Formats: sequence, C-alpha cells, structure tokens
Amino acid sequence: GNSVTQMEGPVTLSEEAFLTINCTYTATGYPSLFWYVQYPGEGLQLLLKATKADDKGSNKGFEATYRKETTSFHLEKGSVQVSDSAVYFCALSSGSARQLTFGSGTQLTVLP
Amino acid sequence: GAVVSQHPSRVICKSGTSVKIECRSLDFQATTMFWYRQFPKQSLMLMATSNEGSKATYEQGVEKDKFLINHASLTLSTLTVTSAHPEDSSFYICSATEGGETQYFGPGTRLLVL
Repeated sequence: GNSVTQMEGPVTLSEEAFLTINCTYTATGYPSLFWYVQYPGEGLQLLLKATKADDKGSNKGFEATYRKETTSFHLEKGSVQVSDSAVYFCALSSGSARQLTFGSGTQLTVLP
Repeated sequence: GAVVSQHPSRVICKSGTSVKIECRSLDFQATTMFWYRQFPKQSLMLMATSNEGSKATYEQGVEKDKFLINHASLTLSTLTVTSAHPEDSSFYICSATEGGETQYFGPGTRLLVL
C-alpha cells in the first residue's frame, strides 16, 4: 500500500534560517506529490505540488522536487519567517479515486 | 478560486444527540468530496469518499451507520454523526475536487461531545 514518511517534529528555527523538512514515500504506480500547510485551528491549504518525476513545485518561497530515484519530496525554504509557523503535511495521490495519503505532519515554529 | 466552506466551525453537543456538518464548494462543482478526521497533533485520517449522487465509500473501520454521508448536489456534502459519544470528539475536515487530483480543503469543524 501507499505510505508517506515525514520528518519528525517539532522543528524550531530562527527567522531567516534555512528550512528542510524531509519526506519520503512508498507507492504503487505514479503518484502525484503534495505539501499542505495547516495553520492553528484551520483546515489544510495546498502549498505546492508535483505530478511527475523531476518536477519542482514552488510557492511562497517554498520548493520541493519530485525525486523518483530516492522516492523523496523534501520541502525547502531559504529564509523562513515567523508567519511560516504551522504544521506541514506531505501527501501523495494515486489510484483512480485520487485519495490522499498523508504523512504525520511536522510542526514548524519560527522565532523572531 | 477553489474555496470550500464548512459549517459549523465549532459545535458542542450532548452525548446521544446527532450532529450534522455541511461542506460546500463555493466556486466550483465538486464531483468528489472527502471526509477526514484529525486527532490532536496527528495527521488526517480518511473516513470516506463521496461522489455526487451515489453512496459514499467508507474506509475500513469507519462505521457507515454512525457517520452518515450525503452528497446530494455538486456543491454540498453533509456528514451526520449519529448518537454522538465523547470518543467522537474530534476535528472533522472535508475536501473537494472538481475532477482533478488536487483536493481543496475546508477550514474544519471542531466537534466536542459532552
């Protein structure tokens, strides 16, 4: 079956630090990969996605590259802000129903 | 675009009562809607997949008679928690797609059963 393994949190960084949140996956077929962000008390927002190998998704300074050879989709940002504090979920979508399989989530706290 | 709303955002009810949660796609037609449950500091657990006009498909371990899902139109799906008990207290989140693979999530409904 499909699974997503995400870097354990919580992660605490100072403002302007470099961020990496690791994500690896196991899937049959050719999944699409996503990063979602959840702010406190809210639902999930799509941050970025990639649909095939070597695609790079990017949004709001965040980037992730679909690496089929390492089955990874690590999230990176060069300079985090306090407003980036949230929980980040890596997910994959596959199958005819396009159901999402989520990682466990990584809590990020950015300190001023 | 691609906005999904949920109502109510928070609900408190007594044990044994039923609670209905609405999920609406505001600016697109949602061919498929999904219902998730999220426990504190945990990931989302898919409960069921709902296609407009047909019965929902429930994930293993989810009681279909307890969590009634109706997807009567292309913009509305409802989740009814019947005879709610304290262990049903959770954060319920819906999502919707317009046929593609990207899911757009609602803001969630926090249910507390006393």
